[in-house]
Amino acid sequence: NAGVTQTPKFQVLKTGQSMTLQCAQDMNHNSMYWYRQDPGMGLRLIYYSASEGTTDKGEVPNGYNVSRLNKREFSLRLESAAPSQTSVYFCASSPTGLNQPQHFGDGTRLSIL
Amino acid sequence: AQKITQTQPGMFVQEKEAVTLDCTYDTSDPSYGLFWYKQPSSGEMIFLIYQGSYDQQNATEGRYSLNFQKARKSANLVISASQLGDSAMYFCAMREALTSNTGKLIFGQGTTLQVKP
Repeated sequence: NAGVTQTPKFQVLKTGQSMTLQCAQDMNHNSMYWYRQDPGMGLRLIYYSASEGTTDKGEVPNGYNVSRLNKREFSLRLESAAPSQTSVYFCASSPTGLNQPQHFGDGTRLSIL
Repeated sequence: AQKITQTQPGMFVQEKEAVTLDCTYDTSDPSYGLFWYKQPSSGEMIFLIYQGSYDQQNATEGRYSLNFQKARKSANLVISASQLGDSAMYFCAMREALTSNTGKLIFGQGTTLQVKP
């Protein structure tokens, strides 16, 4: 049972470089999400996709773009990385329904120098 | 406005004792769901327990239970018989019915629990 798979697990970038974080889920979930988690803080929603073909901004979308490639895959792109984007990034997915929990990937630890 | 508040940044509990982690929420939607997640030091997010706003009874899952007080808008997590493996950060989260088609969750800041041997 793979669940939600994120790649890479770790990455170091230089300021100004670009990078795409990959996320795939094998649970046939409609909705997918990207969060960032900074030290000592909760999760903040960057972007989400309620269904294949749709994407919407979350709480902290600036500096990021997303693509819902198909039902399984939801990628997050940093076009010009900044040190403020140093964080742990989590991808999650969930089926539709008030009582359905989100299932999380293991996270990507991203450092921008 | 903060919709989910976890007022205890850090807590300690003695092994085998019970501990309560506080969570208060704010919503005008009469239909909502509340979730608790555990994040151990290894970093993964683990779903623990769910409580619906219309559920008649407090949710329980093994050693986890929810002390749900709707009028006070609180949904405190109770861990009974604490184990060393319970040391982790715990997050409370809410989903409102109005946005349930998107599946969005609103997370609190988290509480770090340390279990002492």
